[in-house]
Amino acid sequence: QKEVEQNSGPLSVPEGAIASLNCTYSDRGSQSFFWYRQYSGKSPELIMFIYSNGDKEDGRFTAQLNKASQYVSLLIRDSQPSDSATYLCAVNKGGAQKLVFGQGTRLTINP
Amino acid sequence: SAVISQKPSRDICQRGTSLTIQCQVDSQVTMMFWYRQQPGQSLTLIATANQGSEATYESGFVIDKFPISRPNLTFSTLTVSNMSPEDSSIYLCSVEKKNIQYFGAGTRLSVL
Repeated sequence: QKEVEQNSGPLSVPEGAIASLNCTYSDRGSQSFFWYRQYSGKSPELIMFIYSNGDKEDGRFTAQLNKASQYVSLLIRDSQPSDSATYLCAVNKGGAQKLVFGQGTRLTINP
Repeated sequence: SAVISQKPSRDICQRGTSLTIQCQVDSQVTMMFWYRQQPGQSLTLIATANQGSEATYESGFVIDKFPISRPNLTFSTLTVSNMSPEDSSIYLCSVEKKNIQYFGAGTRLSVL
């Protein structure tokens, strides 16, 4: 079992719809969860982070965390073509500060 | 956040040579990290570099192949030694500030 798993996609969503990205992790000691966006040929940039169970909203983005199910998700509302990118889920390893990344989900927003 | 400068941005190297990648951050940070991103893949942590101590390497990565320096709180280097085509990858440095990791632009390395 991989430490952090994501569906690699590609995930295709029409413009204006909600994009839902999912991630599961194996280490129950993990405490911090991150979503990074990576455009082709660019470095990852932080979109959201979440530490507590529940939802966290920032503009069009909502991160959801369920520690009991070891599941974290990212919702993108009113999807725009500029949201087309690879989204990387990252989890801190065993409470330490180093991150383990999932394989990423490639998202395409269709105009 | 953090402003991170990584050099070179890209390079083409011959098999058997070595390349040193530099990472400079605009403020003092305790922890710096080096990652590799192979074509079409996600990020894999190579090592954690703390100032004043030897780098801590992840499984599958060794100091002889990837020596790291951390002379002060704003600078680190990663050397890719005795390169082979399998080392062709993007190498990224990151810094941790207030529990968030920020990434440099990366070094795209091609080994012929």
